[in-house]
Amino acid sequence: AQSVTQPDIHITVSEGASLELRCNYSYGATPYLFWYVQSPGQGLQLLLKYFSGDTLVQGIKGFEAEFKRSQSSFNLRKPSVHWSDAAEYFCAVASNRDDKIIFGKGTRLHILP
Amino acid sequence: DTGVSQNPRHKITKRGQNVTFRCDPISEHNRLYWYRQTLGQGPEFLTYFQNEAQLEKSRLLSDRFSAERPKGSFSTLEIQRTEQGDSAMYLCASKNMETQYFGPGTRLLVL
Repeated sequence: AQSVTQPDIHITVSEGASLELRCNYSYGATPYLFWYVQSPGQGLQLLLKYFSGDTLVQGIKGFEAEFKRSQSSFNLRKPSVHWSDAAEYFCAVASNRDDKIIFGKGTRLHILP
Repeated sequence: DTGVSQNPRHKITKRGQNVTFRCDPISEHNRLYWYRQTLGQGPEFLTYFQNEAQLEKSRLLSDRFSAERPKGSFSTLEIQRTEQGDSAMYLCASKNMETQYFGPGTRLLVL
C-alpha cells in the first residue's frame, strides 16, 4: 500500500533563510508525487508535481523538489522564504495520473521575522 | 474558470441529524473526488466519480455516507445519523488531465 511520511510536524525558519521539508514515500513502482500547500481558510493549492523525466521539478512561488528513487524521497526546497510562505505543506503520492491521492500528515511551517 | 466551490463552508449539527454538502467542480472536469481532513492530519480519500459513475469508495465511507453526481456535474455528499467522529473538513477536488484542484472545503462540527 502507498504511504507518505513527513517526519517534521513543525518547522520554524527565519524570513530569508533557506527551507527544506522532508518527505518519504512507500510505493513499489514509480510513484506520482505532489506537494500541496494549505493556508488557513484556504483550499489545497498544488505547488509542484513529479510524474516522470527530470528528477528536479520546479513549482510555483519559487519552490522546487527533487525525486530521489534510491532514498524514496521527494523533499521540497526554497532558497529564501517569505513571511507569506507560513502554511501547512502536504506531500502526497498517487499510483497513476487518475488515481486518488494519498497525503502525508503535513508539516506546518512557521516564519520568524 | 472560477475554481471548485463548496457549500456550505461551515455546518454545525447535532448528533443524529443528517447533513448534505455540495461540490461544484470546474466545468468540464470529468473526475471529482471527495476527501476528509481531521485536525492534524492530511486529507484522506473517500470516493471519486468519473462523470456520473462512482468508481471507488474508501473503507472510510461507512454506510451512513452516500455520494452522488447526477448528470456528471455537481456532486453531493450526505451523512446520515451524524456522529461526533464525523466532525472534520470535507474537501472536494476536480481534475483535468493531470492535476486535482481542491475547493475550500466544508467544515462540519457535530455536537
